[in-house]
Amino acid sequence: AQTVTQSQPEMSVQEAETVTLSCTYDTSESDYYLFWYKQPPSRQMILVIRQEAYKQQNATENRFSVNFQKAAKSFSLKISDSQLGDAAMYFCAYSPEYGNKLVFGAGTILRVKS
Amino acid sequence: GAVVSQHPSRVICKSGTSVKIECRSLDFQATTMFWYRQFPKQSLMLMATSNEGSKATYEQGVEKDKFLINHASLTLSTLTVTSAHPEDSSFYICSARDLLTGRPGEAFFGQGTRLTVV
Repeated sequence: AQTVTQSQPEMSVQEAETVTLSCTYDTSESDYYLFWYKQPPSRQMILVIRQEAYKQQNATENRFSVNFQKAAKSFSLKISDSQLGDAAMYFCAYSPEYGNKLVFGAGTILRVKS
Repeated sequence: GAVVSQHPSRVICKSGTSVKIECRSLDFQATTMFWYRQFPKQSLMLMATSNEGSKATYEQGVEKDKFLINHASLTLSTLTVTSAHPEDSSFYICSARDLLTGRPGEAFFGQGTRLTVV
C-alpha cells in the first residue's frame, strides 16, 4: 500500500524568508501524481501545486516550487518570500494514476513570523 | 478550479439524533466523492468512497450503519451520521473528482462541516 510521510510536525519561517517542507512516499507504481495542499485556519483545503511523476521538470506556481526526486521518492515544497498568509497546515498527498484515493501525509504546521 | 459546496458548515445536534451533511459539485460532474474525518491538527482520515449510483465503499473500521452515504446523482452526495454520540463530534470534509473529464488525480474539497454532538 502507498504511504506518505511528512517528518516535520511543525516548521517556522520568518516573513520574506524561504522554507522547505519535506515529504517522502512509498509506492511500487511508476506513474502517479503528487500534490501539496494547504489548509488554513478556515480549514478549506486548497491545492497549492501538483506534479506528474512522468515529468522530470519540477512544478512551480509563483512562490511555490517542488523538488521532485523520483528515485528517492521525495517531494519537498519550497515556499519563497514567505508571507503571513502562508501560515497553515500543509499536506503532501499521493494519487495513483489509476485509482480514486488520495493518500495524505500527517501534515506540517507552518508558522510565519513577522 | 471546480467548486464543491458542503452544507452545513457547522451543526450541533443532541445525542441520539441523526444529522445529514450534503456535498455538491457545482460546476462539474462528480463521478466519485470521498468523505473524510479530521481531528484537530491531524490529517484527513478517509471514511468512504462513493460512486454515483452505487453503494459506498467504506474504509476498514468505519461503521457503515452509523455513517450512511448516498450518492444518488452526479452532483450530490450525502453523509448521514445516525444516532450521533459525542464521540462522533469532529470535522467532516467531502471531496469530489471528475474521473471523466478532470485532470488525473485531482480532487476538489468542500468547506467542511464541524459537527458537535451534545
